[in-house]
Amino acid sequence: NAGVTQTPKFQVLKTGQSMTLQCAQDMNHEYMSWYRQDPGMGLRLIHYSVGAGITDQGEVPNGYNVSRSTTEDFPLRLLSAAPSQTSVYFCASSTSGRVGGQETQYFGPGTRLLVL
Amino acid sequence: AQSVTQLGSHVSVSEGALVLLRCNYSSSVPPYLFWYVQYPNQGLQLLLKYTSAATLVKGINGFEAEFKKSETSFHLTKPSAHMSDAAEYFCAVTSGTASKLTFGTGTRLQVTL
Repeated sequence: NAGVTQTPKFQVLKTGQSMTLQCAQDMNHEYMSWYRQDPGMGLRLIHYSVGAGITDQGEVPNGYNVSRSTTEDFPLRLLSAAPSQTSVYFCASSTSGRVGGQETQYFGPGTRLLVL
Repeated sequence: AQSVTQLGSHVSVSEGALVLLRCNYSSSVPPYLFWYVQYPNQGLQLLLKYTSAATLVKGINGFEAEFKKSETSFHLTKPSAHMSDAAEYFCAVTSGTASKLTFGTGTRLQVTL
């Protein structure tokens, strides 16, 4: 299994440009999520999904859109990039997000985004 | 609402010394608690987790943590530090029925000779 994969590894954008960060998992996990990591702030939840067709907002959703059309993929879209979105983005997945909350979440290697 | 506080953004220990990384949590319902490690330019890897089965939890690489409800703490320890333990460590909590992790701000561990 490849686990959780993310592309691209690094991206530079200009303010106002749009892009999609890709995330895929091959573990048949129901739950997938996106976090951003900023210095001194830990990781903060952007959006999450408990299954195909179901998404919800996390702590910092503004400026980001998501969709979940398949179990495997959970792309994160930036419609109009801003310098404040410069960050490292991590995708994670776990077996189920519907009950318990004790499941281990598996993280991808991250995407470094620089918005100029 | 749930939250995690990690005391000390940087901790430095000598190789062979005790490692103690502090984590205190706040949760309105019984929590599930996690420690993750992040090596430079990599994603996060689970070290250990508390899911109410046992208060002393053993993880990978010789790390362990003890859940203390009275102190709302879940401190991470390792008896003898190794150079390869140098990394950033994150404490996280979930509670209720969701898997939404709330992370602390992280502690960077430096191991010196």
